[in-house]
Amino acid sequence: EVQLKESGPGLVQPSQTLSLTCTVSGFSLTDYSVHWVRQPPGKGLEWMGVMWSGGSTAYNSALKSRLSISRDTSKSQVFLKMNSLQTEDTAIYYCTRDTAYWGQGTLVTVSS
Amino acid sequence: DIVLTQAPLSVSVTPGESASISCRSSKSLLSSKGITSLYWYLQKPGKSPQLLIYRMSNLASGVPDRFSGSGSETDFTLKISKVETEDVGVYYCAQFLEYPFTFGSGTKLEIK
Repeated sequence: EVQLKESGPGLVQPSQTLSLTCTVSGFSLTDYSVHWVRQPPGKGLEWMGVMWSGGSTAYNSALKSRLSISRDTSKSQVFLKMNSLQTEDTAIYYCTRDTAYWGQGTLVTVSS
Repeated sequence: DIVLTQAPLSVSVTPGESASISCRSSKSLLSSKGITSLYWYLQKPGKSPQLLIYRMSNLASGVPDRFSGSGSETDFTLKISKVETEDVGVYYCAQFLEYPFTFGSGTKLEIK
């Protein structure tokens, strides 16, 4: 069974760095891509970036200077790091395999 | 960036009737390989998005055949025939042709 689960801090202070982990099971990261998508409370979906199966990455240009996606295939984990967080980065963060399978999402609140 | 414009913003449907949602792209979504990279998702209240349609007209696994997708290179339609109460939520279109991948702003479906 394909599963994805996001984990990380629920609260981050402004200007700090967000680190999230997407732990997957039921498939190999070398066979499928994993995207990160976020959703501010009550708003729409925003594509953040992708770790392709071959190991390359692509980022939303609006976030590119702050965002980094990496992975550890041996642990079946994909990592998101975003620096200089502001209140407008408050959102539910999802990881998704090919957008066909989604994690439950994790709410990140940026506040002092 | 490719802009996807959805209409209407919301739709109210009587169970058993049909509903159609439009998604218009600012650029052709037809790739050089002949694939139209337009996807449809449903986000039920409090849940993660779920894939309904991929590559404009292909039904995702497990999705009822009441859902169908059609369109051209820039104008797309999601049709739901015989709407059921479980179809309530926000419908999003998305393009995966060109970075940054983008989502429409969503169409909320309610039941009368």
